[in-house]
Amino acid sequence: DVKVTQSSRYLVKRTGEKVFLECVQDMDHENMFWYRQDPGLGLRLIYFSYDVKMKEKGDIPEGYSVSREKKERFSLILESASTNQTSMYLCAGGDRVNEQFFGPGTRLTVL
Amino acid sequence: AQSVTQLGSHVSVSEGALVLLRCNYSSSVPPYLFWYVQYPNQGLQLLLKYTSAATLVKGINGFEAEFKKSETSFHLTKPSAHMSDAAEYFCAVRSGGYQKVTFGTGTKLQVIP
Repeated sequence: DVKVTQSSRYLVKRTGEKVFLECVQDMDHENMFWYRQDPGLGLRLIYFSYDVKMKEKGDIPEGYSVSREKKERFSLILESASTNQTSMYLCAGGDRVNEQFFGPGTRLTVL
Repeated sequence: AQSVTQLGSHVSVSEGALVLLRCNYSSSVPPYLFWYVQYPNQGLQLLLKYTSAATLVKGINGFEAEFKKSETSFHLTKPSAHMSDAAEYFCAVRSGGYQKVTFGTGTKLQVIP
């Protein structure tokens, strides 16, 4: 059974803090993705990676960065968290052709 | 460019009634199309996918969808709704050869007993 795990289900941080969200996949997939999910807006792509140390900006990369040092791990970094980054963050892994497999999500609250 | 439009952010059906969730897409090349379901406090899971084979695609839990190129649609149906179908459903498109997937804004399905 394929699996994508995220380091936290719930996270509360203060404005200005540096935040790390970790994602690990056990599927050996090339591609990994970070989305944020907000009511009425669906899923919006923040960044994706198609290989180790490779990354591409998605639709809303501002205020975020990513790191992929190993194939199975993809980290999302909020350099200085702001209240408008309060959201549900979803990580996914996938191959070149088929569907993406999602983690359970991290609900981040920035106070 | 690629995009997805889901008509209706909320749909209510009675238990046992037909479920119809609408999705229209835009893609400059032949698309791959997906329907995902999200149950409360969970990530998304795949219901079904269209990857240029049969235009009528069957998925899990009795759902199916039909790819209609002339209408640029990929509507999701289920003949008889069950209480366990209450969830949020997302349509998604990926243009062939392009790795980025674009998701719709989602439709919340409520099933009334």
